[in-house]
Amino acid sequence: DARVTQTPRHKVTEMGQEVTMRCQPILGHNTVFWYRQTMMQGLELLAYFRNRAPLDDSGMPKDRFSAEMPDATLATLKIQPSEPRDSAVYFCASGRTSGGNTGELFFGEGSRLTVL
Amino acid sequence: GENVEQHPSTLSVQEGDSAVIKCTYSDSASNYFPWYKQELGKRPQLIIDIRSNVGEKKDQRIAVTLNKTAKHFSLHITETQPEDSAVYFCASHAYSGAGSYQLTFGKGTKLSVIP
Repeated sequence: DARVTQTPRHKVTEMGQEVTMRCQPILGHNTVFWYRQTMMQGLELLAYFRNRAPLDDSGMPKDRFSAEMPDATLATLKIQPSEPRDSAVYFCASGRTSGGNTGELFFGEGSRLTVL
Repeated sequence: GENVEQHPSTLSVQEGDSAVIKCTYSDSASNYFPWYKQELGKRPQLIIDIRSNVGEKKDQRIAVTLNKTAKHFSLHITETQPEDSAVYFCASHAYSGAGSYQLTFGKGTKLSVIP
């Protein structure tokens, strides 16, 4: 049963510290998304990769957030420096897109971040 | 870009009754409309989806309808059960520029089924 794997599942850190979240997409999927979920904002898109190329990171605060996909098996989301308002659950999702058509997005279990 | 509005934000129904959640989208080129269910503390999971060449799709107690002219789609759950209690998200798949297609999610509907 193929799954998207995210680490860490939980992270508590102090304001100003660097946080790195990792995601292993499902093998064969060519699209990877990072979403942030809070009670108030629902699922916010932070970044989107297709075939490892970043296509859309307009939802991401550029001054402190960065997203990369160094290879097909790893996507990373980094926050430096972290702030209390970054506290949220961060989901990675992967899927298969071809041309203008897409299929199901598979979500990881999420990384719950608490910044004190 | 695409804008997806979802209503209501919360919904309470008696067990056995039906529940309906509605979404509207703005991009007439959108071609794929999935619905995700998220139980408390868990990840969103796809429960049903519909493509723009179909008006209705049903899977046991769950159905989705699509009205392309009006740009809205709805989730219907019949004979609700306590295990249907969760947050439901609709989404729309549309071109977002620069060769990018992406899913835009609604804000979610918290469904509570009262035994």
